[in-house]
Amino acid sequence: EPEVTQTPSHQVTQMGQEVILRCVPISNHLYFYWYRQILGQKVEFLVSFYNNEISEKSEIFDDQFSVERPDGSNFTLKIRSTKLEDSAMYFCASRVLAGYEQYFGPGTRLTVT
Amino acid sequence: GEDVEQSLFLSVREGDSSVINCTYTDSSSTYLYWYKQEPGAGLQLLTYIFSNMDMKQDQRLTVLLNKKDKHLSLRIADTQTGDSAIYFCAERGPMNRDDKIIFGKGTRLHILP
Repeated sequence: EPEVTQTPSHQVTQMGQEVILRCVPISNHLYFYWYRQILGQKVEFLVSFYNNEISEKSEIFDDQFSVERPDGSNFTLKIRSTKLEDSAMYFCASRVLAGYEQYFGPGTRLTVT
Repeated sequence: GEDVEQSLFLSVREGDSSVINCTYTDSSSTYLYWYKQEPGAGLQLLTYIFSNMDMKQDQRLTVLLNKKDKHLSLRIADTQTGDSAIYFCAERGPMNRDDKIIFGKGTRLHILP
């Protein structure tokens, strides 16, 4: 069964560094998402992406964040200058055009030191 | 704003039924979901219910929706040790508005022998 994959599974970075989290959505899916889960807290929506542009973003998704679909398969989340509070599990998700199910990847645990 | 609330812990004896409850605030929710997260794994969509339904059954899982009270429950019959996980209640708004999913904090289901 096709699934969403994410790399790396764990990323450790120093405060102020840039990180890129990578996702490969399911191949026929057209909507892509990033969510994050700070330890012990809710899973929070960050951004949705369709037709090569952001369709919706949350207040968390400020100028430090950006998303890109650099080719036909990858979907990336970049954090330009990481802060301690960016430490979280980041989940990528995707869905088909008219679907209601968002399929989630296994997540990337980001630790900012 | 939209919010989803659920209790944080539930302990159930193996073989008994588990009932996980959830309340939500957005009366315009279209889909309500139950996601399962096993240790170290991503978010697996277990089941969903459309807002014009009262009940949905899928093998050992029964979802009940009380739209008037904005209450959703997940019943797992004959609970097994493999059901031990965190269960997230989630909702999304109308298709022509938000596409994001709003999650609760998750209920950790612990199975007693």
